[in-house]
Amino acid sequence: DGGITQSPKYLFRKEGQNVTLSCEQNLNHDAMYWYRQDPGQGLRLIYYSQIVNDFQKGDIAEGYSVSREKKESFPLTVTSAQKNPTAFYLCATQQGANTEAFFGQGTRLTVV
Amino acid sequence: GENVEQHPSTLSVQEGDSAVIKCTYSDSASNYFPWYKQELGKRPQLIIDIRSNVGEKKDQRIAVTLNKTAKHFSLHITETQPEDSAVYFCAASGYSTLTFGKGTMLLVSP
Repeated sequence: DGGITQSPKYLFRKEGQNVTLSCEQNLNHDAMYWYRQDPGQGLRLIYYSQIVNDFQKGDIAEGYSVSREKKESFPLTVTSAQKNPTAFYLCATQQGANTEAFFGQGTRLTVV
Repeated sequence: GENVEQHPSTLSVQEGDSAVIKCTYSDSASNYFPWYKQELGKRPQLIIDIRSNVGEKKDQRIAVTLNKTAKHFSLHITETQPEDSAVYFCAASGYSTLTFGKGTMLLVSP
């Protein structure tokens, strides 16, 4: 599956709860990204990391947090501060700037 | 930061017709322009990309053109087939992150 594994595929969360989405890669890529996809909105960048132990906010980071303790892993936590978390979340990796981005299969998060 | 506008948001064509999707970008420093195809319920996948030192690139039925002066680039699909039906995203980047357009839903009718 392209070397990027996102889990779970579907996730349900109650309002007020934090939830963590997993992203693991075996492509040995340095850069990893989290995007949020809503209908008609394209792919919006939440957070990205270009090296272990370092990450930067993207365009819509409020209500989200990440960590990058290992090159292979870049988990995303959706906190209770995110007011509208129901969306499709995509993790991606790149070998370097201006190269092909590879995407995971995504996690569909629904707040119930 | 970079801003990418994509048009149209939806495009319906008959099988065998050509389809054109257009994007504009704002940052003149951008030099990499990929196009991704996302089928329903699946991950986006790269179908073609172009760099700023090239004006046009072709791969079988798809082609991309780039006009750096006008800051716009386009995806051309010829002889469309039903399996071309999907959402297509353009993107642009300089030496940082990719900025995506909002996508074009292409529907090819048999």
